[in-house]
Amino acid sequence: SQKIEQNSEALNIQEGKTATLTCNYTNYSPAYLQWYRQDPGRGPVFLLLIRENEKEKRKERLKVTFDTTLKQSLFHITASQPADSATYLCALDTVGGATNKLIFGTGTLLAVQP
Amino acid sequence: DAGVIQSPRHEVTEMGQEVTLRCKPISGHNSLFWYRQTMMRGLELLIYFNNNVPIDDSGMPEDRFSAKMPNASFSTLKIQPSEPRDSAVYFCASSVQRGGTGELFFGEGSRLTVL
Repeated sequence: SQKIEQNSEALNIQEGKTATLTCNYTNYSPAYLQWYRQDPGRGPVFLLLIRENEKEKRKERLKVTFDTTLKQSLFHITASQPADSATYLCALDTVGGATNKLIFGTGTLLAVQP
Repeated sequence: DAGVIQSPRHEVTEMGQEVTLRCKPISGHNSLFWYRQTMMRGLELLIYFNNNVPIDDSGMPEDRFSAKMPNASFSTLKIQPSEPRDSAVYFCASSVQRGGTGELFFGEGSRLTVL
């Protein structure tokens, strides 16, 4: 069956450290992979998109990698700050065929301690 | 632009009642998505429209759910009759779809509680 798995446990790290979040998937062949941030009581907000032929993408303190062989994406936040505390969602864009749609993982709660 | 606008933000209703959730996408966006979020199941895609046409409704739980997009600036998600298990946060999102889905812009959600 198709699955998108993210760290089920909350991730607690110290301010200034690098946070690494994992997204693993099975039985999908996504053309794109996206990462979103969601704060309590708010809708998800887009952060980054990476294509299947890209290994790595960066935006300020954020870095995403995409390994289609391992079927895994890693999301890094360097020099983390308490304001980075939120739930982070990965989403697979299943382009191709009659439809293409964005399927989300369950999310990882990140808590950055001051 | 004001972003994706959803209403109501909160709805409390009794089992058996009809519920209508509304969404105004961002002007110029050609795709609209309805998602449902619960603690147990996360963010689930219910249905999406491209150029006002429903493309994939395979996520709609059952016949009690229906969605329409009569024009490019308005969509509704209706539940009739509602049941307690429909309690969730319902999100609408829009995007400019060119090849891939594109970056989704989400509304603030409609929190539905069915008693």
